[in-house]
Amino acid sequence: NAGVTQTPKFQVLKTGQSMTLQCAQDMNHEYMSWYRQDPGMGLRLIHYSVGAGITDQGEVPNGYNVSRSTTEDFPLRLLSAAPSQTSVYFCASRETASETQYFGPGTRLLVL
Amino acid sequence: DAKTTQPPSMDCAEGRAANLPCNHSTISGNEYVYWYRQIHSQGPQYIIHGLKNNETNEMASLIITEDRKSSTLILPHATLRDTAVYYCIVRVPLRSNTGNQFYFGTGTSLTVIP
Repeated sequence: NAGVTQTPKFQVLKTGQSMTLQCAQDMNHEYMSWYRQDPGMGLRLIHYSVGAGITDQGEVPNGYNVSRSTTEDFPLRLLSAAPSQTSVYFCASRETASETQYFGPGTRLLVL
Repeated sequence: DAKTTQPPSMDCAEGRAANLPCNHSTISGNEYVYWYRQIHSQGPQYIIHGLKNNETNEMASLIITEDRKSSTLILPHATLRDTAVYYCIVRVPLRSNTGNQFYFGTGTSLTVIP
């Protein structure tokens, strides 16, 4: 199993540009989530999904959209990037019956 | 909110036991305590979790006090590769009341010294 994969590893955007951060898992996990990590602030939940077709907001959802058309994929979309969205983004997944989350390697995003 | 409190940093000599404390005084009775670590800038890695009994696996031991208000993660023989940020985690309700999330906090930065 590849586990949780994320692409790209690093991205530079200009303010106002849009992009999609990709996340995929091959463990057939129902639950997937997106976190952002900023210096001195730990990880904060952006959006999560409990299964295909079901998504919900986390702690810091503004400026981000998600969709879950398949069990495997959970992309995170930035419609109009802002410098405040400069961060490291982590995707995670877990089985519904377990709270042990598996994290991807992260995507570093710089918005100029 | 059932949040956690951890010291921001700790040092440990290589080969010695590293004891990382965590306070979670408002944890609910059915909530687990989880520990993750993050090495450099990689994704967080699961270490161990427990409810009220002490737990041990190949990576670490978890000691939870009887009142469950605090716990200690023990790395029995710390190596240089254990240098990382260690997060003690509990679930907290989302502000939207639509579910729960893991509250990571800022963790403890452990430095293992040769």
